Amino acid sequence: ETGVTQTPRHLVMGMTNKKSLKCEQHLGHNAMYWYKQSAKKPLELMFVYNFKEQTENNSVPSRFSPECPNSSHLFLHLHTLQPEDSALYLCASSQDRGSGRPGEQYFGPGTRLTVT
Amino acid sequence: GQNIDQPTEMTATEGAIVQINCTYQTSGFNGLFWYQQHAGEAPTFLSYNVLDGLEEKGRFSSFLSRSKGYSYLLLKELQMKDSASYLCAVSAWGGATNKLIFGTGTLLAVQP
Repeated sequence: ETGVTQTPRHLVMGMTNKKSLKCEQHLGHNAMYWYKQSAKKPLELMFVYNFKEQTENNSVPSRFSPECPNSSHLFLHLHTLQPEDSALYLCASSQDRGSGRPGEQYFGPGTRLTVT
Repeated sequence: GQNIDQPTEMTATEGAIVQINCTYQTSGFNGLFWYQQHAGEAPTFLSYNVLDGLEEKGRFSSFLSRSKGYSYLLLKELQMKDSASYLCAVSAWGGATNKLIFGTGTLLAVQP
C-alpha cells in the first residue's frame, strides 16, 4: 500500500448506529487530519493530530470522536449522526518539518457517508 | 478572518485554454496550493507558489501575486480528462502546524 488509504470507501448508516472510519498513511508523516467535504462548500477541517497529539478541534460536535493511536493511523468514531452529516470524509497527512512546501497535505480517497 | 474565493463552476472546450482565479485574505501566509480532484477520488497536488510570479509545469501554470491576494491556475490544450474540481488552498501557520485553508473548489467541465 502506498500513500494514504481510507476504509470503508462507502458507508450507509442509520442515526442510531455506531461506526468507525479508518485512515492509514504510509508516508512517514507526523501530522494527520480529518476533513468534511460537502457539495459546493470549502473543505471543512475537523481535527488535526501532530505526533499523535490532538492540536485542533474545530468545534466539531461530540457525535464525531477521533482517535490517533500512532502517527500512521487515524480513526473517526461516529455515533448518533444526523442526516446533515452525510458527506465525503477525507483524511490527509503531512510532514510539517523540513518540507519544501510547508503545509502540503496528501489526501486519501475519502469515505462517502450517507446517514439515513 | 481567513477567506478564499474561487468560482464554483466553469465550462470550457476541448483544446482551449481556461483560467481559474482565486483570491484570498489570510494571515501567516506560507504559500498557495492548487489541487485537482476527480469525482470520487483524492485531491492530488498540482502546484505550489510562495513567491510572486508564474510557475509552469507542462500544460498547467500557476500564478501568484501576494500584494493583491490573487492567484490563478491556467490550463492549456484542455483534454476531456481535465474535467475535475480544482481546489485553491492557502497554507498558513496555525501555531502548532501549517494549516491549509480551502476555497469551495471550481468544478471544471470540459466539453468536446
